Amino acid sequence: DIQMTQSPSTLSASVGDRVTITCRASQSISNWLAWYQQKPGKAPKLLIYKASSLESGVPSRFSGSGSGTEFTLTINSLQPADCATYYCQQCNTYSGTFGQGTKVEIK
Amino acid sequence: EVQLLESGGGLVQPGGSLRLSCEGSGFTFNIYAMNWVRQAPGKGLEWVSGISGSGGSTYYTDSVKGRFTISRDNSKNTLYLQMNSLRAEDTAVYYCAKLGDIGVIPAVVFYWGQGTLVTVSS
Repeated sequence: DIQMTQSPSTLSASVGDRVTITCRASQSISNWLAWYQQKPGKAPKLLIYKASSLESGVPSRFSGSGSGTEFTLTINSLQPADCATYYCQQCNTYSGTFGQGTKVEIK
Repeated sequence: EVQLLESGGGLVQPGGSLRLSCEGSGFTFNIYAMNWVRQAPGKGLEWVSGISGSGGSTYYTDSVKGRFTISRDNSKNTLYLQMNSLRAEDTAVYYCAKLGDIGVIPAVVFYWGQGTLVTVSS
């Protein structure tokens, strides 16, 4: 099975900061990676698919990059509405393994 | 507008059974693969099971193989998860998830239901 490792587990930043979350796959997944945002008590929401494609309606301050085994999610100019837990997911196999999540907080 | 409405969650004793349902609307149900994804209290997301658009291919995570059965009734736009021999570790919010294609790969979830809570406890 493909394992996904996110870092950091928790991140605290100020409004307006640029924030980066990293996701590593245990083997190459080409660009088959998605990023989701989940707020407390809510279902996850798709932000990015195919590593760098922005889902419709998602603010342009969110961006994704990477291929193979190393991927990043960047939030440019962090906003209070971005407080949430972010998950990466490998989409290269039917099991779609998720990372353990990164909680983003505002300082 | 795509909507996924889950039902069927609740409190069940260890060893018991539940059937979850997920009714889809706002899209052509039979051309999209569907997944069940769960989230234990305070924990991360875990893929549980997937089914192709036709229903001809099904997949399970190892911990539920032989206990859970995924199915779909495309005439009713409804996805199911039959859960038998439930264990305490199956306690979670179960999400119905719509993928982006008729097959289960790539496993990108474009839409999620609101989730239904399953609690396994005596």
